[in-house]
Amino acid sequence: DQQVKQNSPSLSVQEGRISILNCDYTNSMFDYFLWYKKYPAEGPTFLISISSIKDKNEDGRFTVFLNKSAKHLSLHIVPSQPGDSAVYFCAASKDNYGQNFVFGPGTRLSVLP
Amino acid sequence: NAGVMQNPRHLVRRRGQEARLRCSPMKGHSHVYWYRQLPEEGLKFMVYLQKENIIDESGMPKERFSAEFPKEGPSILRIQQVVRGDSAAYFCASSRPSGNFDEQFFGPGTRLTVL
Repeated sequence: DQQVKQNSPSLSVQEGRISILNCDYTNSMFDYFLWYKKYPAEGPTFLISISSIKDKNEDGRFTVFLNKSAKHLSLHIVPSQPGDSAVYFCAASKDNYGQNFVFGPGTRLSVLP
Repeated sequence: NAGVMQNPRHLVRRRGQEARLRCSPMKGHSHVYWYRQLPEEGLKFMVYLQKENIIDESGMPKERFSAEFPKEGPSILRIQQVVRGDSAAYFCASSRPSGNFDEQFFGPGTRLTVL
């Protein structure tokens, strides 16, 4: 039973436009959410996080939105750049301890020049 | 300042052989986490270690898998008598003792293929 779902395996976006990556979860106890970016042949790199006390967190071109009632979060990248092409994982946990995070299967983003 | 290092990057084993995966944490990091990523799935936590101590192994399969992080040298994930289902990418991450997830740094992974 997947507790964290990313229903779009892949997404293609034109350079300069907005990329929206979605993530849904089933466990209402989750309070901490992370997004990771992964390039081929590299390990995941932490991108941005949000806790349940907020509904939005912004860091430069990256914004994460959290809708707790819908158990849904999304990552917005604007404007999208070719270097953003990667696999994006969302992860969720009841606390902020590393070993407790549950990862989604990832969405492969391709930003076309 | 070198990042987290894993070797080998690719490992091919036949069914029944042993696989040893190594992880050298970042300088100053004393905690190591191992994760497994099966095809088309997200990363799944396996084990969390500090030097000479296993803190949490709730994600480790009960048989054939073991992990250690000795006082000197890298952390090692050992898989005995590998089966085809063990084929996956194995990532380790390291951190300072705080344990917060956004302070972990991942290595490039070891891709294990079992023939």
